[in-house]
Amino acid sequence: GDSVTQMEGPVTLSEEAFLTINCTYTATGYPSLFWYVQYPGEGLQLLLKATKADDKGSNKGFEATYRKETTSFHLEKGSVQVSDSAVYFCALSRMDSSYKLIFGSGTRLLVRP
Amino acid sequence: EADIYQTPRYLVIGTGKKITLECSQTMGHDKMYWYQQDPGMELHLIHYSYGVNSTEKGDLSSESTVSRIRTEHFPLTLESARPSHTSQYLCASTRGRDEKLFFGSGTQLSVL
Repeated sequence: GDSVTQMEGPVTLSEEAFLTINCTYTATGYPSLFWYVQYPGEGLQLLLKATKADDKGSNKGFEATYRKETTSFHLEKGSVQVSDSAVYFCALSRMDSSYKLIFGSGTRLLVRP
Repeated sequence: EADIYQTPRYLVIGTGKKITLECSQTMGHDKMYWYQQDPGMELHLIHYSYGVNSTEKGDLSSESTVSRIRTEHFPLTLESARPSHTSQYLCASTRGRDEKLFFGSGTQLSVL
């Protein structure tokens, strides 16, 4: 079945460091791919998305490119801030059939001043 | 911003009690979902609904039940709470074929 695999956390970085959080997926067909972020004490919110191969999603300095050849959707940011500390979830969509999102296990990011 | 609300925000209750977690959205979304989030942060889909009078079990088996009598309301009920039900419960919704899910802030349930 469809699945999403993320790198384990926590990821601890100093402010202004470069961030990469790896995400790979297994799916039939052509799913859409997403990154959601969960700040402490809150629900998840959409960070960015990509709907087809080679699309790049971007928001708030974060970017991720839909790579069909490597089945990956890695999240990157050039310079992290303390306020980026949160849990990040990679997800794929089966909205073309069962209207469900399948989430990865989440990666906690801690940015130190 | 998303208009999806969950109450209570925190709930501590004794074993054997019946509880209902409330979820309401004011966006007219037809699809609604309940996720259970374990301490390791992983999200498990336990229930979903495609519209009024439509409910389905999710990928993770759960002893909870849901109902969808009104479009905006998707409550989750546990008839007899147990310590194994201690978890964070997140409600979400979306419209039609839109793939973006809007999430509530969650209910942290602790069963003693």
